[in-house]
Amino acid sequence: AQSVTQPDIHITVSEGASLELRCNYSYGATPYLFWYVQSPGQGLQLLLKYFSGDTLVQGIKGFEAEFKRSQSSFNLRKPSVHWSDAAEYFCAVPLSGGYNKLIFGAGTRLAVHP
Amino acid sequence: DGGITQSPKYLFRKEGQNVTLSCEQNLNHDAMYWYRQDPGQGLRLIYYSQIVNDFQKGDIAEGYSVSREKKESFPLTVTSAQKNPTAFYLCASSISGLAISGNEQFFGPGTRLTVL
Repeated sequence: AQSVTQPDIHITVSEGASLELRCNYSYGATPYLFWYVQSPGQGLQLLLKYFSGDTLVQGIKGFEAEFKRSQSSFNLRKPSVHWSDAAEYFCAVPLSGGYNKLIFGAGTRLAVHP
Repeated sequence: DGGITQSPKYLFRKEGQNVTLSCEQNLNHDAMYWYRQDPGQGLRLIYYSQIVNDFQKGDIAEGYSVSREKKESFPLTVTSAQKNPTAFYLCASSISGLAISGNEQFFGPGTRLTVL
């Protein structure tokens, strides 16, 4: 069955430090991939997406992610974290079959120390 | 401004009652979705609709019902048959119901349902 794994439930970084959030997926073909961010009690906001082409994609708020087919990964990165980045981050992939039904990872909660 | 609205933001229900969560979008999107979010479990799909007057069950449809009589509206009813309804509910929409390039989902602000 298809799945999305985010191995880290909680991550804490210092403000100004670099960040990498991991995402691994199982999928039969090259997938579409998404990263969303959620502030407490809010909806999800799309950070970035991969559909095809360049495997390094840029998103909003200074985030980027790299699709690595050989590792079935789509890790999210940011070179310098700001306190406002504290939130929960979700990786998602559509179910196979051609329909736009997303499978989400369990999420990674990011805390930022001043 | 275009977007998705959900109401109410907080909802309290007594056991045995049905409640309806509202979701409206003015993005002219064909497809709409309902997700349930529980701590530590990510989001799970309840129902989705690819087009008006059509909807399909997702992974956890038992105890829920929906309708799609208008393009912009996709209300979710949580029935008394749902054994553990306390959760955060998120509505989303996308241009179409197909997994095609550029077809990302946009989310509303959510409704937190608590059963008393």
